[in-house]
Amino acid sequence: AQSVSQHNHHVILSEAASLELGCNYSYGGTVNLFWYVQYPGQHLQLLLKYFSGDPLVKGIKGFEAEFIKSKFSFNLRKPSVQWSDTAEYFCAVIPMGYSSASKIIFGSGTRLSIRP
Amino acid sequence: DTAVSQTPKYLVTQMGNDKSIKCEQNLGHDTMYWYKQDSKKFLKIMFSYNNKELIINETVPNRFSPKSPDKAHLNLHINSLELGDSAVYFCASSHKGYYEQYFGPGTRLTVT
Repeated sequence: AQSVSQHNHHVILSEAASLELGCNYSYGGTVNLFWYVQYPGQHLQLLLKYFSGDPLVKGIKGFEAEFIKSKFSFNLRKPSVQWSDTAEYFCAVIPMGYSSASKIIFGSGTRLSIRP
Repeated sequence: DTAVSQTPKYLVTQMGNDKSIKCEQNLGHDTMYWYKQDSKKFLKIMFSYNNKELIINETVPNRFSPKSPDKAHLNLHINSLELGDSAVYFCASSHKGYYEQYFGPGTRLTVT
């Protein structure tokens, strides 16, 4: 069965540190990939997405992610985090051709805490 | 200009009661979803409707029944509420296909 793994459950960083959150998925076919962010007490918001083309995608708020097909990975990065980046981050995958239904599969999330 | 809205935002009720959560989107999307987020923040899809037709129905107890009166609305009715139903329920919508989904603000359901 398809699955999405986020191995870092809780990451604690100081402001201005660089960030990389890991995401791996298990599906041999074509996928659409997403990172969502959930700020405390809020709903999920789309940070960035990859459908095709340049495997390095840029999203909002200075985030970027790189799709490495050979590693089934879609890691999220930010060169310098801010206190306002404190949130839960979810990687998500839609396997293409699975069915006509766009069944998005979420990872278990990574909680990011930024020390001021 | 709320894109995906849900009501109510908070719902506290007793075991055995029946309750409904409403969802509306004004994005012109034709597919809508219900997700359950548990206390560990894990998100799991429950249902998906496309143009009022059920297309995804995960392993969810029969006590949960979605209803889509039109493609802009997807409501969730829950019968005989149990303690384990306590969670945050998110509605989402998207264009049909493999596109990103837009989420509502969530409904925090607490069953006592």
